[in-house]
Amino acid sequence: AQSVSQHNHHVILSEAASLELGCNYSYGGTVNLFWYVQYPGQHLQLLLKYFSGDPLVKGIKGFEAEFIKSKFSFNLRKPSVQWSDTAEYFCAVNARAGTALIFGKGTTLSVSS
Amino acid sequence: DAGVTQSPTHLIKTRGQQVTLRCSPKSGHDTVSWYQQALGQGPQFIFQYYEEEERQRGNFPDRFSGHQFPNYSSELNVNALLLGDSALYLCASSFEGRETQYFGPGTRLLVL
Repeated sequence: AQSVSQHNHHVILSEAASLELGCNYSYGGTVNLFWYVQYPGQHLQLLLKYFSGDPLVKGIKGFEAEFIKSKFSFNLRKPSVQWSDTAEYFCAVNARAGTALIFGKGTTLSVSS
Repeated sequence: DAGVTQSPTHLIKTRGQQVTLRCSPKSGHDTVSWYQQALGQGPQFIFQYYEEEERQRGNFPDRFSGHQFPNYSSELNVNALLLGDSALYLCASSFEGRETQYFGPGTRLLVL
């Protein structure tokens, strides 16, 4: 069965600090990978996704993620965080486009100004 | 262009009761998925509907059932509510075969 592990439960950063959130998945076949974000009081929004091709994908608001197949990882990065990046971040995977998403438990990011 | 909408936004029920949650997909989308998000957890997949049929189901008991209507909107029904059913219920829509699922704001259910 597929599973997703997010290593950091709560990350606290100051503005302008760099961010890296870890995500590892367990699945033997081809997967599609996603990062979703949930800002306070808002619904889940897609940050970025990987299906194939260049393993370095860029998303909205300056976020990027790198797919490393050998490590079963899809870590999220941002060079310089802002206070407005304070949110819950979820990594997710599915085996085929449009099918059930398997989510990690999420990482809460708190950015202080 | 309206996104995914869900109703009601909040709901309080007592143990043993039944509840129906509703979802309208994003315009042009024909596939609806339901997820349960317990406090402090990531969303867990309940089931997915396409062409008015349940196409995929997660590890949830038969107390959880659903329906999709010809206009692609969907309902989630939960019977014999348990305290542990308290959660945020999320609806996501997509277009068949396309990659991205778009989420609604959710319905927060509290079972007392």
